[in-house]
Amino acid sequence: AQSVTQPDIHITVSEGASLELRCNYSYGATPYLFWYVQSPGQGLQLLLKYFSGDTLVQGIKGFEAEFKRSQSSFNLRKPSVHWSDAAEYFCAVGSSSGSARQLTFGSGTQLTVLP
Amino acid sequence: NAGVTQTPKFQVLKTGQSMTLQCAQDMNHEYMSWYRQDPGMGLRLIHYSVGAGITDQGEVPNGYNVSRSTTEDFPLRLLSAAPSQTSVYFCASSYSSLFSGNTIYFGEGSWLTVV
Repeated sequence: AQSVTQPDIHITVSEGASLELRCNYSYGATPYLFWYVQSPGQGLQLLLKYFSGDTLVQGIKGFEAEFKRSQSSFNLRKPSVHWSDAAEYFCAVGSSSGSARQLTFGSGTQLTVLP
Repeated sequence: NAGVTQTPKFQVLKTGQSMTLQCAQDMNHEYMSWYRQDPGMGLRLIHYSVGAGITDQGEVPNGYNVSRSTTEDFPLRLLSAAPSQTSVYFCASSYSSLFSGNTIYFGEGSWLTVV
């Protein structure tokens, strides 16, 4: 069974600083990888996804993520954080085993942005 | 285009009561699913459906029932509510299998408290 680990429960950065959120996955085949963002009281919004091809993926709001198979990682980065980026971020791996098409989520990383 | 619509947004139940969380999508999506979100645990899949008349269990199905009589609707039923079912529930849908790179869209969530 697949699993996702987000080792950082909470990260605090200053506005304008760079950001990296870590994600490690466990999956037996080529993974389908996703990053979602959740603002307070809201649903999840897709930031970016990796299915195949170029291992550096560009997403919305200036985010990017790099798939590293050797490290089983899919870390999310942003060069300069804005106050509006404060939210909870979830990494997920997609499975299509059998008839199941489902996402397995990490436990999330809460991002606080200091002015 | 309303996307994925969940009702109600907030609900308080007494232990033993039953209720139905409604989910509707207007995007003609094949795949629909229900997740629950608990602090520190990310989102966990309860049930999913790959088309009208077809449902299957996810990671945490006990205490929940689903049906898919139409493409648009995927209600989640709590048969006899327990305090352990206090959670935020998210409905999600996508056009087809993850293989084709389709995005999973999430509703805004339903906050359920069982007392």
